[in-house]
Amino acid sequence: SVLTQPPSVSAAPGQKVTISCSGSSSIMGNNYVSWFQQLPGAAPKLLIYDNNQRSSGIPARFSGSKSGTSATLGISGLQTGDEADYYCGTWDGSLNTGVFGGGTKLTVL
Amino acid sequence: QVQLQESGPGPVKPSQTLSLTCSVSGVSIKSGGHYWSWIRQVPGKGLEWIGCIYYSGTTYHNPSLKSRVAISVDTSKNQFSLKLSSVTAADSAVYYCARSLLRLLDRSFYFDHWGPGTLVTVSS
Repeated sequence: SVLTQPPSVSAAPGQKVTISCSGSSSIMGNNYVSWFQQLPGAAPKLLIYDNNQRSSGIPARFSGSKSGTSATLGISGLQTGDEADYYCGTWDGSLNTGVFGGGTKLTVL
Repeated sequence: QVQLQESGPGPVKPSQTLSLTCSVSGVSIKSGGHYWSWIRQVPGKGLEWIGCIYYSGTTYHNPSLKSRVAISVDTSKNQFSLKLSSVTAADSAVYYCARSLLRLLDRSFYFDHWGPGTLVTVSS
């Protein structure tokens, strides 16, 4: 994938976890990043757009940030219902194409 | 309430053309402000953006698929469609349609409403 994410992360209920998303400077340097949650068997859902803006109805436990060529999704107060795959995405302005990270599987132990 | 629903004819044979339609409700495609995207996901794998279209007909495509992809819009039916030609087993995937917001100058691109997805199998 054009954007690099860790394949998996895990943490205990109530804890906080972060998921990283990195790419080349040409793609991530001046881009806005979005984050999606995909629960098992469901379509993805928008969590964060424009690096740190929560989508409608998304609790404040979910946060986003970006620095340089890396973006981070933070999830605090982990719940078992947060177990899902998480994807980052952005726009590659040089190729005029949408790109995604490879996805990160979150396990809440 | 914005809703999207994919539909298609079912299994596709290798070398044929995959055709899918996305029906949109709750918003008019020709109201503008949004692009309408196709995204696919091989079961157990990650997301792959296929392409998108604006109500005016402006399209963008994934370069890796561009030569085989055609995306069209029918504003009278509030639908947009995907055709993927010369399919192989590697094109077997869940296909999603989604409403997207694209700001080219800001390089901001995200999908705020998704259809439930439809599984397309390419098999002889």
